[in-house]
Amino acid sequence: QKEVEQDPGPLSVPEGAIVSLNCTYSNSAFQYFMWYRQYSRKGPELLMYTYSSGNKEDGRFTAQVDKSSKYISLFIRDSQPSDSATYLCAMKNGGSNYKLTFGKGTLLTVNP
Amino acid sequence: IAGITQAPTSQILAAGRRMTLRCTQDMRHNAMYWYRQDLGLGLRLIHYSNTAGTTGKGEVPDGYSVSRANTDDFPLTLASAVPSQTSVYFCASSETGSTDTQYFGPGTRLTVL
Repeated sequence: QKEVEQDPGPLSVPEGAIVSLNCTYSNSAFQYFMWYRQYSRKGPELLMYTYSSGNKEDGRFTAQVDKSSKYISLFIRDSQPSDSATYLCAMKNGGSNYKLTFGKGTLLTVNP
Repeated sequence: IAGITQAPTSQILAAGRRMTLRCTQDMRHNAMYWYRQDLGLGLRLIHYSNTAGTTGKGEVPDGYSVSRANTDDFPLTLASAVPSQTSVYFCASSETGSTDTQYFGPGTRLTVL
């Protein structure tokens, strides 16, 4: 079993839809959870950063972590064509280990 | 604008040639990283450096070397390029500390023929 599993999609939704992106993981030591957005031919950019179980909201974006189920989600409300990108989940242990483990990314297209 | 710059943006290289990908950050981050991104395989860590003067191996280090002579620069060298090293290469940096996350450069597209 891979450490991080992410459905690669592609996912296509109409503008205004609510989007749900998900990752599961197997390593109980992961404590920090991130979502990166990557536009075509660009580098990944940090979108959301969470620690511990629960929800974190930033504008139209909500990150959710369920450590008991080893499951994280990113919700996008009122999706826009500008949200069309690949979304990568990433996670890491605590302590001095800086290594990030990435999911393979989900390609999202929001159609006007 | 503060951030990470990478050079070149893209490169076509003959197999067997030596190539150095450059990465410079102006955020004074202690840690720097090199990843490669391949379709279906995602981002994989090649090498990293927690601070100037130290380096470490990531998930896929074979065929690559790095150096970290100062805080700002972290070049990645392919000593003798092979076609399997065709990929998009991303440099990233972060402050040290368990809560700090990584910020990525724009990438270098490398094709080895």
